[in-house]
Amino acid sequence: ETGVTQSPTHLIKTRGQQVTLRCSSQSGHNTVSWYQQALGQGPQFIFQYYREEENGRGNFPPRFSGLQFPNYSSELNVNALELDDSALYLCASSPTGTNTEAFFGQGTRLTVV
Amino acid sequence: AQSVTQLGSHVSVSEGALVLLRCNYSSSVPPYLFWYVQYPNQGLQLLLKYTSAATLVKGINGFEAEFKKSETSFHLTKPSAHMSDAAEYFCAVSTNTGTASKLTFGTGTRLQVTL
Repeated sequence: ETGVTQSPTHLIKTRGQQVTLRCSSQSGHNTVSWYQQALGQGPQFIFQYYREEENGRGNFPPRFSGLQFPNYSSELNVNALELDDSALYLCASSPTGTNTEAFFGQGTRLTVV
Repeated sequence: AQSVTQLGSHVSVSEGALVLLRCNYSSSVPPYLFWYVQYPNQGLQLLLKYTSAATLVKGINGFEAEFKKSETSFHLTKPSAHMSDAAEYFCAVSTNTGTASKLTFGTGTRLQVTL
């Protein structure tokens, strides 16, 4: 059984550019959530995908968007990057149902310069 | 809205000493509570979870937490600290938004273990 994997592990982008982060969910998990963790902070919920549809969203602007594919893997896209977007982006997968535990990947460290 | 508050951004203990990391929650419904650990440059690993089955929850690596409704607390403890326990610890509450569940995290407590 493979865990949650994210790619790339590190990324440097220039302000105004666009970025795509990828996540493969744990085997058997059909729900994927994305979190942003700024330096020294707890993770903040961006959005969740279930059955290829957005299924809940946190307080993030529309330039943060995502996709989920039939194999339950997911992408996070961020347009018009800002310096404040620099953070660790965490993907978490969970099985069907509410209040189930989430399993996290190792994260993608995004630096915007 | 459900939330958690972690008291103490930094906690330092000696190896072999008791570890106590504090978490208080705010919730209008019975909460689902979690403790996660994050090692440097890593993702989050689940230590334990409370889902109303038992108030004392045992987790991995010798950690446990007790749910106290009267105190709205879910403090994390370990009887004897080990150097390998040095990490960032996050308390979280699960919030349902329709068919989705999201985790709302505290700001974290950095545990330092000294010789």
